[in-house]
Amino acid sequence: EDKVVQSPLSLVVHEGDTVTLNCSYEVTNFRSLLWYKQEKKAPTFLFMLTSSGIEKKSGRLSSILDKKELFSILNITATQTGDSAVYLCAVAPGNEKLTFGTGTRLTIIP
Amino acid sequence: GAVVSQHPSRVICKSGTSVKIECRSLDFQATTMFWYRQFPKKSLMLMATSNEGSKATYEQGVEKDKFLINHASLTLSTLTVTSAHPEDSSFYICSARVTPGQGTGYEQYFGPGTRLTVT
Repeated sequence: EDKVVQSPLSLVVHEGDTVTLNCSYEVTNFRSLLWYKQEKKAPTFLFMLTSSGIEKKSGRLSSILDKKELFSILNITATQTGDSAVYLCAVAPGNEKLTFGTGTRLTIIP
Repeated sequence: GAVVSQHPSRVICKSGTSVKIECRSLDFQATTMFWYRQFPKKSLMLMATSNEGSKATYEQGVEKDKFLINHASLTLSTLTVTSAHPEDSSFYICSARVTPGQGTGYEQYFGPGTRLTVT
């Protein structure tokens, strides 16, 4: 059975701090790993990673995938209160159904 | 680009009635859409995969006669909760997969969700 584990489950930091969120996975026939941000509504797409070692970057957010060790990290630098959300990691195997982790709840204190 | 809409955003209905939720890809074609359910403070649970022009594929434990899915066009999938009961109250979210040729084909974009409350 495909499995996605995110850590930590919850994280509280001060504004301006840098955070690293972890996602490890076990999946047959891996195709891609996706990161989403979920606030009060449905998840919004952040990154899709398919190749090891290639960093994807968008503003203060960046992510990288290690297909050998089966994990990915999501970094957020100079955090702002608007970064407070649940960050979801999902893996798409060959059949393209996403398997989600339980998410990391990030809270940024002003 | 890659916008997915859902309608309605919130619905309250009485027990025993049916509710239809629409999911539309606004600026791209989606041969495949997915329907999820999310309970408070829990992750998304995939209910079914909706394929344009064919029958939906349901996950184990999801009643296909209760959750009717129709994907009649490349931009629209509908989920109908039939004979709704209070335990069906939940946040229902759809996602649409970009059709190969319009992107890598693997990205999924989510709609804003529909909160269903059955009284």
